[in-house]
Amino acid sequence: ETGVTQSPTHLIKTRGQQVTLRCSSQSGHNTVSWYQQALGQGPQFIFQYYREEENGRGNFPPRFSGLQFPNYSSELNVNALELDDSALYLCASSLDLGTVLNEQYFGPGTRLTVT
Amino acid sequence: QQQVKQSPQSLIVQKGGISIINCAYENTAFDYFPWYQQFPGKGPALLIAIRPDVSEKKEGRFTISFNKSAKQFSLHIMDSQPGDSATYFCAARTGGSYIPTFGRGTSLIVHP
Repeated sequence: ETGVTQSPTHLIKTRGQQVTLRCSSQSGHNTVSWYQQALGQGPQFIFQYYREEENGRGNFPPRFSGLQFPNYSSELNVNALELDDSALYLCASSLDLGTVLNEQYFGPGTRLTVT
Repeated sequence: QQQVKQSPQSLIVQKGGISIINCAYENTAFDYFPWYQQFPGKGPALLIAIRPDVSEKKEGRFTISFNKSAKQFSLHIMDSQPGDSATYFCAARTGGSYIPTFGRGTSLIVHP
């Protein structure tokens, strides 16, 4: 186990609703990245938080937003849910930025289904 | 635009056989190439990684072969075991970035 935890495990929402997913990073890690993994696809980068600031963003619309808290846990918020938002949402934590040798560790993910 | 192309999509191998998964990339700024293993209900876990200054890296039964001029790299799993049955992702990232670009994944099934 990586020490990265996510909640909830599964979630079913209706189109147009809002959802909040949570991630607790591995002890000592100050960087959290969020990914969307659609069925049969590789993870796609959503955004990254470093020391409570957004530090990079992938090709996702503004209705995907996030927060990182002083204890380095993080939230992913998605507004106005669409059917295509159905996916496994992964968070990954790591220590600091810019060091190739510091790998990121993934949580088990939250499976979101939008109906 | 798929920056890292992975094949095959699925692979079935007998126990003891060799599993080979191939990836190709276009962005010459990539300089770190990790492979991840993902079991059902789990997040991806780093399996093995290589930098382009070497042509091969071996860790136990897992070997990465890297061809910089062809912009291709591959994962070889020797003596494949049923416990290796998982989805494998190749990825690539630029120096100083934690943000890998993933391939679409290969579902490996190893029959006993």
